[in-house]
Amino acid sequence: DTGVSQDPRHKITKRGQNVTFRCDPISEHNRLYWYRQTLGQGPEFLTYFQNEAQLEKSRLLSDRFSAERPKGSFSTLEIQRTEQGDSAMYLCASSSSGVNEQFFGPGTRLTVL
Amino acid sequence: TQLLEQSPQFLSIQEGENLTVYCNSSSVFSSLQWYRQEPGEGPVLLVTVVTGGEVKKLKRLTFQFGDARKDSSLHITAAQPGDTGLYLCAGVLTGNNRKLIWGLGTSLAVNP
Repeated sequence: DTGVSQDPRHKITKRGQNVTFRCDPISEHNRLYWYRQTLGQGPEFLTYFQNEAQLEKSRLLSDRFSAERPKGSFSTLEIQRTEQGDSAMYLCASSSSGVNEQFFGPGTRLTVL
Repeated sequence: TQLLEQSPQFLSIQEGENLTVYCNSSSVFSSLQWYRQEPGEGPVLLVTVVTGGEVKKLKRLTFQFGDARKDSSLHITAAQPGDTGLYLCAGVLTGNNRKLIWGLGTSLAVNP
């Protein structure tokens, strides 16, 4: 399967703990996006990379959130000192430059107790 | 302010009925995509429309892009329970080709 993959698919953690999610994009895609989605709502943009450069971050992304894409391939999203309000589906998508279509992974469902 | 307004937000119909979902904006988009998402999964791209007035068909689904490229519609003919899901429209604003602007989605339930 050469689609976008995300790991883990589900994560349950206690409030205050740190969590890290991984996204592996489609190999030839140089753009990578992170979104957050709550039940029944559309995806909410968090941040975007072109190759290894993080080009845009949402103002909604607090300083507890950090994302990296060190070699321009896979990316990680870390949430420090998790809060119950962080519970959501975290989606990763990738695309090629100049192409507007984004291809999504299956998401990581985070539950903060 | 939501740049892309989707309506209706929720729709529950019987198998065999037709339905239309709308995606409207006051802004002009260079392209617009429709996605379908099932519970617990990521959105799956259905179609991209780029030309004003364009109509695309995907089996029982018909997608239309408005002449002014500010709105789009998705029409499903003879809906089936397998069509159940969240339908999302997303567009790229003219002059900004990096980020998709998302609607809030239409949650469709097709009852057998």
